[in-house]
Amino acid sequence: DAGVIQSPRHEVTEMGQEVTLRCKPISGHDYLFWYRQTMMRGLELLIYFNNNVPIDDSGMPEDRFSAKMPNASFSTLKIQPSEPRDSAVYFCASSLATGWVTEAFFGQGTRLTVV
Amino acid sequence: LAKTTQPISMDSYEGQEVNITCSHNNIATNDYITWYQQFPSQGPRFIIQGYKTKVTNEVASLFIPADRKSSTLSLPRVSLSDTAVYYCLVGDGTGRRALTFGSGTRLQVQP
Repeated sequence: DAGVIQSPRHEVTEMGQEVTLRCKPISGHDYLFWYRQTMMRGLELLIYFNNNVPIDDSGMPEDRFSAKMPNASFSTLKIQPSEPRDSAVYFCASSLATGWVTEAFFGQGTRLTVV
Repeated sequence: LAKTTQPISMDSYEGQEVNITCSHNNIATNDYITWYQQFPSQGPRFIIQGYKTKVTNEVASLFIPADRKSSTLSLPRVSLSDTAVYYCLVGDGTGRRALTFGSGTRLQVQP
């Protein structure tokens, strides 16, 4: 398996534009996580899904952020409208729930710059 | 999820053993302890996980005392490539499975 695949790797957009980040989890994994990382706030869990269903979105900062998982192999994180303070690295991760072990596999991230 | 406390940073030299301790005083019975490693410009990578006593794999060892209120990640004979941020996470394997990361420990290995 190629691991968790995120696209694009880099995104530069203007304030007010819509941004869509994409993630393909590892096949067979039933959990998917979206994180945001900044120097100031570190790694923040935004939302996670189990079997394509959103379980906890309490980390989503505002209504401008939305996430979907239409099927087991694809998820999107959308920001509309984008603002400069949304600039960060966004990571997607997936895991296979097997009892005590919860090893999450992370993608390479999408570096978002909003100007 | 139990709150964790780690040193902000540590320095070491190549070939030395590095021990990073994490405090988790309010760890619950069902919680296990997991460590991740993150290199610059990459996502975190799972290193090791344990519940009690000692766990060892090809990368590191994890020591957990009987009261489980702390844990120590041990990296034998570090190299420059071990320079990274190390995160300690504590959480249960059922119910809310979210992975919540703290501030981590920034390890700098020098030649």
